[in-house]
Amino acid sequence: AQSVSQHNHHVILSEAASLELGCNYSYGGTVNLFWYVQYPGQHLQLLLKYFSGDPLVKGIKGFEAEFIKSKFSFNLRKPSVQWSDTAEYFCAVTVGFQKLVFGTGTRLLVSP
Amino acid sequence: SAVISQKPSRDICQRGTSLTIQCQVDSQVTMMFWYRQQPGQSLTLIATANQGSEATYESGFVIDKFPISRPNLTFSTLTVSNMSPEDSSIYLCSVLIVGTGGFNEQFFGPGTRLTVL
Repeated sequence: AQSVSQHNHHVILSEAASLELGCNYSYGGTVNLFWYVQYPGQHLQLLLKYFSGDPLVKGIKGFEAEFIKSKFSFNLRKPSVQWSDTAEYFCAVTVGFQKLVFGTGTRLLVSP
Repeated sequence: SAVISQKPSRDICQRGTSLTIQCQVDSQVTMMFWYRQQPGQSLTLIATANQGSEATYESGFVIDKFPISRPNLTFSTLTVSNMSPEDSSIYLCSVLIVGTGGFNEQFFGPGTRLTVL
């Protein structure tokens, strides 16, 4: 079965540190890839997405992700995190017809 | 994008009872989904709510436990039946919107936090 793996369950960083969250998927076909963010007490929001084209995707709030097909990866990055980036981050992949498969999520805590 | 609302936002229920969660979208959408997010876990798709026909359930979820209605293109309900503490979760409604370039995106409602005692 298709699956999405997020290697880091909890990440703690200081403000201005760089961030990279890993995401790997197991599916050999054409994929659409997403990162969602859930801020404390808020609902799930789309951070960025990849459908095709340039494998380096830029999203909101300075986040970017790189699709590396050979590694089945779609890692999320931000050069300098802020306290307001404290949230839970979910990687997701569409499988078949718009069915989203989510990773287990990574809780990011940014200390001021 | 789409504005999605859910009712109730949270509830505390007794085991053996049922709760119906409502999802309202501000525009007509073809596809609506129901997800569950159990404590400390990721989102799991329960079913696809089909307008005018029976919902399509994922493996491990059945209609008797999670009956779904989809009377029109802007509204759906999910019922959690005969609840047990294991049903304590956040239940989320999601809709599929055709984005730029014809690519589809899913947007999520605020969720319903259910606690079963």
